[in-house]
Amino acid sequence: SQELEQSPQSLIVQEGKNLTINCTSSKTLYGLYWYKQKYGEGLIFLMMLQKGGEEKSHEKITAKLDEKKQQSSLHITASQPSHAGIYLCGAPPRGLSGYALNFGKGTSLLVTP
Amino acid sequence: KAGVTQTPRYLIKTRGQQVTLSCSPISGHRSVSWYQQTPGQGLQFLFEYFSETQRNKGNFPGRFSGRQFSNSRSEMNVSTLELGDSALYLCASSRTGTSGRGPTDTQYFGPGTRLTVL
Repeated sequence: SQELEQSPQSLIVQEGKNLTINCTSSKTLYGLYWYKQKYGEGLIFLMMLQKGGEEKSHEKITAKLDEKKQQSSLHITASQPSHAGIYLCGAPPRGLSGYALNFGKGTSLLVTP
Repeated sequence: KAGVTQTPRYLIKTRGQQVTLSCSPISGHRSVSWYQQTPGQGLQFLFEYFSETQRNKGNFPGRFSGRQFSNSRSEMNVSTLELGDSALYLCASSRTGTSGRGPTDTQYFGPGTRLTVL
């Protein structure tokens, strides 16, 4: 089965600093989702990457998918307290029709003033 | 457009009881997936329903079951509750589904139901 490993597990950054979160898959990635979760709440959709080399940006968040490395990265520029939360990557297994996403364990982000 | 809604938001049960959780997907969405989230295991896929049929199933015991109605609303049921079933249960919906070659639709999550088993 596919395993998704996220690094780092937790991150504390000062407001205004840039940061990167990585998601590495044990198998070939056929697309990847990034979500953000506030503790104990539902997941907020951030971005969906559908093919290798794809890069998407929304506000100050940029995500890339490197198919060859079986990896995706999420980069936040000029972090703000509103960026704090748990970031999760999720990927669909190959050859599966439908949604049965495998998720990483998450990266906990804290942004300090 | 209303998001995914889940009821109830919080639930306390005792061991041996059964529980039913409900999920209303975004209007027009036909796929509903259920996930269990615990501190130890993280977010794990339970099952997915599409057009009233179970399309995918995760590695959970038969005590966990679900169904989908003709209006795409879905319920999941857990029978003979165990302490380890305490978790946040999340429901997600999407319009259609993946083609097997990667995602084609966004999957949106509800706020979750927090189940505590005593």
